[in-house]
Amino acid sequence: DVKVTQSSRYLVKRTGEKVFLECVQDMDHENMFWYRQDPGLGLRLIYFSYDVKMKEKGDIPEGYSVSREKKERFSLILESASTNQTSMYLCASSSQVISIQYFGAGTRLSVL
Amino acid sequence: GQQLNQSPQSMFIQEGEDVSMNCTSSSIFNTWLWYKQDPGEGPVLLIALYKAGELTSNGRLTAQFGITRKDSFLNISASIPSDVGIYFCAGTRLQGAQKLVFGQGTRLTINP
Repeated sequence: DVKVTQSSRYLVKRTGEKVFLECVQDMDHENMFWYRQDPGLGLRLIYFSYDVKMKEKGDIPEGYSVSREKKERFSLILESASTNQTSMYLCASSSQVISIQYFGAGTRLSVL
Repeated sequence: GQQLNQSPQSMFIQEGEDVSMNCTSSSIFNTWLWYKQDPGEGPVLLIALYKAGELTSNGRLTAQFGITRKDSFLNISASIPSDVGIYFCAGTRLQGAQKLVFGQGTRLTINP
């Protein structure tokens, strides 16, 4: 079974803090994705990566950066957390061959 | 970014009832996926569709890839309490596309 693991289920941070969200997948997938999910807005793509050290902006990259130093790990970084970044963050991975994305359990981030 | 038009946005039904939801697009899609998200969890793939007209079942769930390739339908028969959650459609417009386009979700609530 594909496993996508997000390091934290719940996080509480203060405004201005630097926040790291970590995601690891065990299926040797080339592609990895970060989404945020807000009520009424569905899933919105923040960044994705199709290879180690490669990244592309999604629909809402402002205020975020990413890092992919190893194939299995994709990190989302909030350089200076703000209250409007309070949300559910979902990581996903997929292979180059099939479009199906497999999701982690999510990290619910609260920025106070 | 583009989103698929998913309806209804929410459904309140009695246990045992059948459920229907659909997704439409203004452009042709090559792949349709249906996911379910349990409260507080990440989305899990239910059904994947790859050919126009394809009808695929997974237990009490049945999904169809529309003949026009611009829509897809998901039906749940004889609903049970564990069917509660948010159902998302997703798809790709191009063969081998890496990014998915998502619907905004249908929230299903069941009265026992």
